Amino acid sequence: EAQVTQNPRYLITVTGKKLTVTCSQNMNHEYMSWYRQDPGLGLRQIYYSMNVEVTDKGDVPEGYKVSRKEKRNFPLILESPSPNQTSLYFCASSLRTGFEAFFGQGTRLTVV
Amino acid sequence: KQEVTQIPAALSVPEGENLVLNCSFTDSAIYNLQWFRQDPGKGLTSLLLIQSSQREQTSGRLNASLDKSSGRSTLYIAASQPGDSATYLCAVYNYGQNFVFGPGTRLSVLP
Repeated sequence: EAQVTQNPRYLITVTGKKLTVTCSQNMNHEYMSWYRQDPGLGLRQIYYSMNVEVTDKGDVPEGYKVSRKEKRNFPLILESPSPNQTSLYFCASSLRTGFEAFFGQGTRLTVV
Repeated sequence: KQEVTQIPAALSVPEGENLVLNCSFTDSAIYNLQWFRQDPGKGLTSLLLIQSSQREQTSGRLNASLDKSSGRSTLYIAASQPGDSATYLCAVYNYGQNFVFGPGTRLSVLP
């Protein structure tokens, strides 16, 4: 089954404790991206990747890192999480930029 | 910068009604537009993708239209069912940029 898989689905952590949210797709898509969704602000792009070893900032990249060492994986790294990063995070992939996008189930992160 | 709005923000209808959701965008030079459905606590599910050269796309009870010149798209849902209850988002793609999402319309279909 074609899918985008995120882990974990739920995460509660403390300020400053590094964490990684994993994202994997099995559709051989070139384009992958991360979004955060906040009430009243909608979906905003954090980072995206056009292909392996090619990443770029989205609209709200501060406080996040990403890497794309393999085509299927695109982890989101929070080196020093802060409470303002409490949000619902989505990973998405598409064959190429602008093509139909497929989303993961989301990761609800709470930073206390 | 592309901005996307959706009207109404929320909609409640009785089962069986036909309904229309609206999406407006400020920059008409779009490459495509995609409609998504989001269920509570879940990810986004792609419903329809309309290329800039197309006027409409249909999938089952769903029909999406696109009018680039006026910066508008509509999602028509025929014979609504309680299972259609969800938040519906539109996203616009301008070539060389990234998808810009609207705030969504929260739909409730009452049995």
